Amino acid sequence: DAKTTQPTSMDCAEGRAANLPCNHSTISGNEYVYWYRQIHSQGPQYIIHGLKNNETNEMASLIITEDRKSSTLILPHATLRDTAVYYCIVRGPGNQFYFGTGTSLTVIP
Amino acid sequence: DAGVIQSPRHEVTEMGQEVTLRCKPISGHNSLFWYRQTMMRGLELLIYFNNNVPIDDSGMPEDRFSAKMPNASFSTLKIQPSEPRDSAVYFCASRKQGGGGSSGEQYFGPGTRLTVT
Repeated sequence: DAKTTQPTSMDCAEGRAANLPCNHSTISGNEYVYWYRQIHSQGPQYIIHGLKNNETNEMASLIITEDRKSSTLILPHATLRDTAVYYCIVRGPGNQFYFGTGTSLTVIP
Repeated sequence: DAGVIQSPRHEVTEMGQEVTLRCKPISGHNSLFWYRQTMMRGLELLIYFNNNVPIDDSGMPEDRFSAKMPNASFSTLKIQPSEPRDSAVYFCASRKQGGGGSSGEQYFGPGTRLTVT
């Protein structure tokens, strides 16, 4: 599976949009981009995933560049409860997840 | 839906003792995963099952670790004998694997925090 690169940490003001980038320059055509987050002491939580098109659900939006070499997770109105480590994962169908170090997002009041 | 259930939530044991961690996946899910998380190594996949059959155990660190899935609703991860370096949080996750596409997301349990003294 393609390797991903994420910033180690980010801050975001409460109520503002949080934009979390991920580079996956070696992604292949059948590999999906997944985002999970882990709030302290809890199990990772699924957020969203996509292949080519941008995706949106009740939690977040996922923007994937046309060449698919990078993506951005957007939390439109960050709250204090969004403080967590966010993992970007690239995997193909049937292959398993390999979590990297993720981005530690801190939402500041 | 009760989600993935793990027990115990916390386990403290002495070095050399046997430890058994338990997991009940979400009903209807046919894939089950065991992960270990430490500060040094992050979240690591240990083993996963499809339809109760172990598919990939390459992440199991040593022969001291073993995992079973006797039926679709129960799995165990056993460490015998345990060592202090096994101290970590162990997560179980399940997934409903469909045909083609992205094969569904994984749902994680709350984890078992293991401390070996």
